Amino acid sequence: AQTVTQSQPEMSVQEAETVTLSCTYDTSESDYYLFWYKQPPSRQMILVIRQEAYKQQNATENRFSVNFQKAAKSFSLKISDSQLGDAAMYFCAYRSAGFGNTPLVFGKGTRLSVIA
Amino acid sequence: KAGVTQTPRYLIKTRGQQVTLSCSPISGHRSVSWYQQTPGQGLQFLFEYFSETQRNKGNFPGRFSGRQFSNSRSEMNVSTLELGDSALYLCASSPRRGPGTGELFFGEGSRLTVL
Repeated sequence: AQTVTQSQPEMSVQEAETVTLSCTYDTSESDYYLFWYKQPPSRQMILVIRQEAYKQQNATENRFSVNFQKAAKSFSLKISDSQLGDAAMYFCAYRSAGFGNTPLVFGKGTRLSVIA
Repeated sequence: KAGVTQTPRYLIKTRGQQVTLSCSPISGHRSVSWYQQTPGQGLQFLFEYFSETQRNKGNFPGRFSGRQFSNSRSEMNVSTLELGDSALYLCASSPRRGPGTGELFFGEGSRLTVL
C-alpha cells in the first residue's frame, strides 16, 4: 500500500518570504499523480498544484512550485512571496494512475502560519 | 459552475443514533468519493461511487454505507454512531473513472459531532 509522509507538522514563514514544505511517499508503481491540497479554516480542500509522475519537468502554478524527485520519492512544495492568505493546512496526496478512480492517499498535513 | 455541495454543514448526534449526509457533485461529474477527516487519523478514504455502483471501499466497518442516485448525487449513512465517528466528512467529485487529470474536487464538508 502506498504511504505519504509529511515530516513537518507546523511551519511558519514571514510575509513575502519563501517556504518549502516537505513530502515523501512510498510506492512500487511507476505511474501516478502527486498533489498538494490546501485546506483553509473554511475547510474546503483546494488543489494547489498537480504533478504527473511521467513528467520530469516540475510543475509550477504562479507562486507555487514543486521539486519532484521520482527516484528519491520526494515531492516538496515551494511557496514564494508568501501571503497572509496562504496560511492553511497543506496536504500532500498520492493517487495511482491506473484504470478507475483510485482513492487519494493523504499525508498528515503541515500547518503553515504566515507572519505579517 | 457550482462546486460540490454538502449538507448539512454541521450536525450533532448522540451515540447509537444514525446519520445521513448528502453530497451533490459538480454538474457533469459522475464519480463521488467520501473521506473522513479526524485529528488523529487524518484523511481516510471511505468509498467511491460511479454510475450508482460502489467501485471502491476503504477500511471502515459496515456501519458506514452509501449510495448514489441516477443524478450522481450521493448520500452516506452511518448507523449506530460511536464517539469516534466525530469527524469532518468530505465529499469529492470527478468527471469520470479513469486517469484523466487525477484531480478530485472537494466540498466544504459536513462536521459531525457525536455526544
